[in-house]
Amino acid sequence: DSGVTQTPKHLITATGQRVTLRCSPRSGDLSVYWYQQSLDQGLQFLIQYYNGEERAKGNILERFSAQQFPDLHSELNLSSLELGDSALYFCASSVSPSGANEKLFFGSGTQLSVL
Amino acid sequence: DQQVKQNSPSLSVQEGRISILNCDYTNSMFDYFLWYKKYPAEGPTFLISISSIKDKNEDGRFTVFLNKSAKHLSLHIVPSQPGDSAVYFCAAHKTGNQFYFGTGTSLTVIP
Repeated sequence: DSGVTQTPKHLITATGQRVTLRCSPRSGDLSVYWYQQSLDQGLQFLIQYYNGEERAKGNILERFSAQQFPDLHSELNLSSLELGDSALYFCASSVSPSGANEKLFFGSGTQLSVL
Repeated sequence: DQQVKQNSPSLSVQEGRISILNCDYTNSMFDYFLWYKKYPAEGPTFLISISSIKDKNEDGRFTVFLNKSAKHLSLHIVPSQPGDSAVYFCAAHKTGNQFYFGTGTSLTVIP
């Protein structure tokens, strides 16, 4: 158990809909990362938050947004969903924002299926 | 822009033999490299790492080698066990910047 909690584990929805994925980082970790893993793809970095502030942005679509709350949990909002958004979404956390010798600890992911 | 590449999508090895997983990177500024292991329906878990100031790091059956001039790292598993069957991701980052992951290599250890 990594200590990172993601809910829900599975999500099935229709095109055009909006969903929210939730992540609670490990106790003491201030940084949260969101990754997308599509079929046969690696882990694509979406966005990072550190202590409530956006820290870095990757290949995140404009239809997607995220935030980190004062209790440090994070939510990833996906709207106007398309079939191609079907993927495994991982949250990871770390103590600091990509500090020296930093490691990421991953949750078990949310499998999103857009029908 | 794939800064970390794993060119072998899959690898099969007999139990007891050595497994060698390879990873190449393009950014010479990366200063920390990691290997993660992922079982189906689980998130990636940290396996082993190496700082750019080293060329080898060992942890039990797992050894990571870093060749900075070739921008190449490899993970050696000796001896390989059926429980090692999983997808292995290599990752790299430069302090203060995001982590970059490869596309993964699926290792199958045949009993």
